[in-house]
Amino acid sequence: QKEVEQDPGPLSVPEGAIVSLNCTYSNSAFQYFMWYRQYSRKGPELLMYTYSSGNKEDGRFTAQVDKSSKYISLFIRDSQPSDSATYLCAMSGGQAGTALIFGKGTTLSVSS
Amino acid sequence: KAGVTQTPRYLIKTRGQQVTLSCSPISGHRSVSWYQQTPGQGLQFLFEYFSETQRNKGNFPGRFSGRQFSNSRSEMNVSTLELGDSALYLCASSMALAGDTQYFGPGTRLTVL
Repeated sequence: QKEVEQDPGPLSVPEGAIVSLNCTYSNSAFQYFMWYRQYSRKGPELLMYTYSSGNKEDGRFTAQVDKSSKYISLFIRDSQPSDSATYLCAMSGGQAGTALIFGKGTTLSVSS
Repeated sequence: KAGVTQTPRYLIKTRGQQVTLSCSPISGHRSVSWYQQTPGQGLQFLFEYFSETQRNKGNFPGRFSGRQFSNSRSEMNVSTLELGDSALYLCASSMALAGDTQYFGPGTRLTVL
């Protein structure tokens, strides 16, 4: 079992839809949870950062962490064609230290 | 503030050769981490350098090595290249505190023929 599981998709939605992206993990020592967005041929760009359990909202993006279920989510409201990218969850803490452990990424396509 | 820069952006090498990649972190950031991204394995942690010392290491063979200079710039080296080393190599910088956010550069795409 991989430490971090993420459905690779692809996920296709119409413009304006609400998108839900999820990751599960096995290491209960993880404390820091991130979502990165990666456009083709670019480096990952940090979208959301959450420490421990809880919700965080930033514009159209909401990140949720449920440590009891070892489950994290990213919601995108009013999705736009410019949101078309690969979304990567990442986490760190415990024995991993500062190393980021990534999911394999979900490819999202938003059509206009 | 300038972001993380990586050079070169693209590289083509043949099996058996060695390669050196360079990374300049965001000004003021003292930690540099390296990651390998492939379609099959995704993003995997290689190693982290802080104050010129390797502080953390992933599960990669000894052919992969790195170093950090006093100005926080970092290089990674891959010796005796194999076809499977073809990947996007990403560098990330941070302030180096626990749980700190890491900011990625654009990567170096290495192709091994």
